[in-house]
Amino acid sequence: GQQVMQIPQYQHVQEGEDFTTYCNSSTTLSNIQWYKQRPGGHPVFLIQLVKSGEVKKQKRLTFQFGEAKKNSSLHITATQTTDVGTYFCAGGNSGYALNFGKGTSLLVTP
Amino acid sequence: NAGVMQNPRHLVRRRGQEARLRCSPMKGHSHVYWYRQLPEEGLKFMVYLQKENIIDESGMPKERFSAEFPKEGPSILRIQQVVRGDSAAYFCASSPVAGAGGDTQYFGPGTRLTVL
Repeated sequence: GQQVMQIPQYQHVQEGEDFTTYCNSSTTLSNIQWYKQRPGGHPVFLIQLVKSGEVKKQKRLTFQFGEAKKNSSLHITATQTTDVGTYFCAGGNSGYALNFGKGTSLLVTP
Repeated sequence: NAGVMQNPRHLVRRRGQEARLRCSPMKGHSHVYWYRQLPEEGLKFMVYLQKENIIDESGMPKERFSAEFPKEGPSILRIQQVVRGDSAAYFCASSPVAGAGGDTQYFGPGTRLTVL
């Protein structure tokens, strides 16, 4: 079955540094979605990418979807303490389930 | 517009008891998904339901777990004879249209089940 791998598992940065998490699927995806989950919280939808090679920006966050629609990345510029949390990618396909990666936990120290 | 609602937020059960988790989707959403999250893990799909129908239960354990989404009222995830390994956070999500290939799924706050 489809597997979604995410790296790194953990990332610890100083406030102001950049951060990137990568997501790779074993199969071609119809779309990829990114979620953020704060400790003790629930996944909050950030964005959905659908088109091959698509790039979307939300303020300091940049999301990319690979040309082959099998990989994606999330880049945060100049991290802030409010960016702390776990970032999940989730691959969507023709079925109903979102296949989540294990997430990248980001810790930002002032 | 209220988001996805789940209750209870925390549930403690002893081994062998039953757990009932409830989910009310966002207004206007008729598609409900249940996911389970173990500590330090991502979310694992369990089941997808529409009103009165189970559409995809490929992620549900074969025994002790069941789900429903009646015509009236919330969706229910039921776990019979709970065991310690059932301890996890159970999240419900809803969407206005069907499928992960389509619209965004919006998540509720989750029910954190602890089995003693």
